[in-house]
Amino acid sequence: GNSVTQMEGPVTLSEEAFLTINCTYTATGYPSLFWYVQYPGEGLQLLLKATKADDKGSNKGFEATYRKETTSFHLEKGSVQVSDSAVYFCALSNFGNEKLTFGTGTRLTIIP
Amino acid sequence: GAGVSQSPSNKVTEKGKDVELRCDPISGHTALYWYRQRLGQGLEFLIYFQGNSAPDKSGLPSDRFSAERTGESVSTLTIQRTQQEDSAVYLCASSLAIAGGENEQFFGPGTRLTVL
Repeated sequence: GNSVTQMEGPVTLSEEAFLTINCTYTATGYPSLFWYVQYPGEGLQLLLKATKADDKGSNKGFEATYRKETTSFHLEKGSVQVSDSAVYFCALSNFGNEKLTFGTGTRLTIIP
Repeated sequence: GAGVSQSPSNKVTEKGKDVELRCDPISGHTALYWYRQRLGQGLEFLIYFQGNSAPDKSGLPSDRFSAERTGESVSTLTIQRTQQEDSAVYLCASSLAIAGGENEQFFGPGTRLTVL
């Protein structure tokens, strides 16, 4: 079956630091890959996605590249801000099967 | 426009009682999903509706859990004879379901269920 493994948290960084949150997956076929974010007091929202190998998803300065050879979809940002403090979830879904399979989430705290 | 809404936002119940959780999806979204998140764990898929039908119920953990959707709109998740291990945040999401596996799912704020 499908599974997603992501970096254990919590992660604490200083403002303007470089961020990487690792995500690897196991899936049949060619899944679509997602990063969702949950800001404090808010619901889950899509941050970025990639639907095929070598695609790069990007949004709000965050990027992730779909690496089929390493079954990974690591989230990166070059310079984090305090407003990026949130819980980040890596997820996948298979074509024709709408449900999302999530990782356990990584809590990120950025200190000024 | 309005997003996905869920009610109640918090529910505390005694072990053995039945509970109903409600989800109002975004208008026009034909697909609706229920997930749950237990403390320290990721989100677990429970059930998926396309219209009023549920083609995938594979995540329902036991026969105490059931869900229905009416009018291709509101959905209710019912948990009978609640147990302490049912304590979790129950999340609902909806999507347009245009193409398989690529649709953005829009999530509600969740219902936090605590079973004493």
